[in-house]
Amino acid sequence: QVQLVESGGGVVQPGRSLRLSCAASGFIFSSYDMHWVRQAPGKGLVWVAGFSYDGSNKYYADSVKGRFTISRDNSKNTLYLHMNSLRPEDTAVYYCTTRGDAFHIWGQGTMVTVSS
Amino acid sequence: SSELTQDPAVSVALGQTVRITCQGDSLRSYDASWYQQEPGQAPVLVIYAENNRPSGIPDRFSGSSSGNTASLTITGAQAEDEAVYYCSSRDSSGNHLVFGGGTKLTVL
Repeated sequence: QVQLVESGGGVVQPGRSLRLSCAASGFIFSSYDMHWVRQAPGKGLVWVAGFSYDGSNKYYADSVKGRFTISRDNSKNTLYLHMNSLRPEDTAVYYCTTRGDAFHIWGQGTMVTVSS
Repeated sequence: SSELTQDPAVSVALGQTVRITCQGDSLRSYDASWYQQEPGQAPVLVIYAENNRPSGIPDRFSGSSSGNTASLTITGAQAEDEAVYYCSSRDSSGNHLVFGGGTKLTVL
């Protein structure tokens, strides 16, 4: 069964850090580009970051560049999002998703709340 | 602000046809994909590469594109199609991915 399972979300104070994980199963993880997409409460989808299947390229939205780092461990079939200097506007559900010519497979998301 | 523009809300009578549009300059160069999201659920891909359906998506869903506008058409809308629909593509630079603001579809 093809599956993506995010974890690591929670409540964190502004300026602090958090690491999200996305465990993949049921497909050849190392063959797919992987991305993070977020959705603030009551708002639309926003692309955050992407990582090519072979590790050759990383991409970031301007709003997170320099603060967030995407990484992957193909030996563990896991995608990560390291989030530093968190801001209240980073509060959202964070989804991991595969990408070929579209975002084909999505996890159920993990909620991150940035609040003092 | 998004580089892809969608109408915030559209309604359709049960069994009728509805078209949801997405406008953006980047659509002249890049294909759009479409996602359905029900409340509290993760998005689901319904159309990719302009007019391809993943397995399990009913054939009443179709896509098209002309100029700077991509469209998602639901032919014979069902009650279960009520959801928010998002388009997605690359931005004008081609380096980043973007989503439209979403269209809430109501089936009357």
